[in-house]
Amino acid sequence: DGGITQSPKYLFRKEGQNVTLSCEQNLNHDAMYWYRQDPGQGLRLIYYSQIVNDFQKGDIAEGYSVSREKKESFPLTVTSAQKNPTAFYLCASSPTGLYGYTFGSGTRLTVV
Amino acid sequence: EDQVTQSPEALRLQEGESSSLNCSYTVSGLRGLFWYRQDPGKGPEFLFTLYSAGEEKEKERLKATLTKKESFLHITAPKPEDSATYLCAVHRSGGGADGLTFGKGTHLIIQP
Repeated sequence: DGGITQSPKYLFRKEGQNVTLSCEQNLNHDAMYWYRQDPGQGLRLIYYSQIVNDFQKGDIAEGYSVSREKKESFPLTVTSAQKNPTAFYLCASSPTGLYGYTFGSGTRLTVV
Repeated sequence: EDQVTQSPEALRLQEGESSSLNCSYTVSGLRGLFWYRQDPGKGPEFLFTLYSAGEEKEKERLKATLTKKESFLHITAPKPEDSATYLCAVHRSGGGADGLTFGKGTHLIIQP
C-alpha cells in the first residue's frame, strides 16, 4: 500500500542532544513537508521541499534542519538550538502541492 | 498574511443532531481550501478540497461548502464515530507547493 511512514512513533531527547525524525513515502510525490503541532495550536510549517536536493524554510525553521537526497525521503533533525522541541511532528507529501496532502502518522517528541 | 480561523473551538452534539463548523480565511488568491479529520495521536486524514466559491462536496454525513470568505463543514445526523478534530487549511500565498496554512481546528464530540 502506498503511504507515508514516520518513525519512530515516540522519541525522547535529552537536553543538548540532536535527534532525527524519519519520513519515507512511496507515493512518488515530488513535494514533502514537515509540520509541528502543539496543543491548542494549528499545524505550523517547519520546512518543505518541492524537488530533490532543494528545500525551503517554513514559518518556524529555527532550530531544525532537513535534507532531501532522495525523492522518497525527507528526514528532519531537531537540533539543540531548538529550545522547546516537545511536540507532535507530522510529515506530509503532495504530487505537486496543488492537491490535498497525505500525512504520516506522526512522531511525538518529548524532552526529558 | 494568510489567516485561517475556525469556530467553534469545541462542539458537543447528541447523536443525530446536525450542525455546521465554520472556517473563515484571508489569503491572497485562493488556490484551494482543504478539510481534514484528525483523530487523537494520529495524522490528519484528507476529506475535501474546494477551489471556487459556490463549490460543494459531500462524503457520507459530511458536506463542505465554500464562499469567497469562508467554508462550512455541515454534519448531518452525526454518529459517535464522527467524533474527531476537524481541520481547515488553505494554500499559502507564496506558491502552489509552498505548504498549507492551518486553522486551530474544531474538536467535535458526538454523544450517544
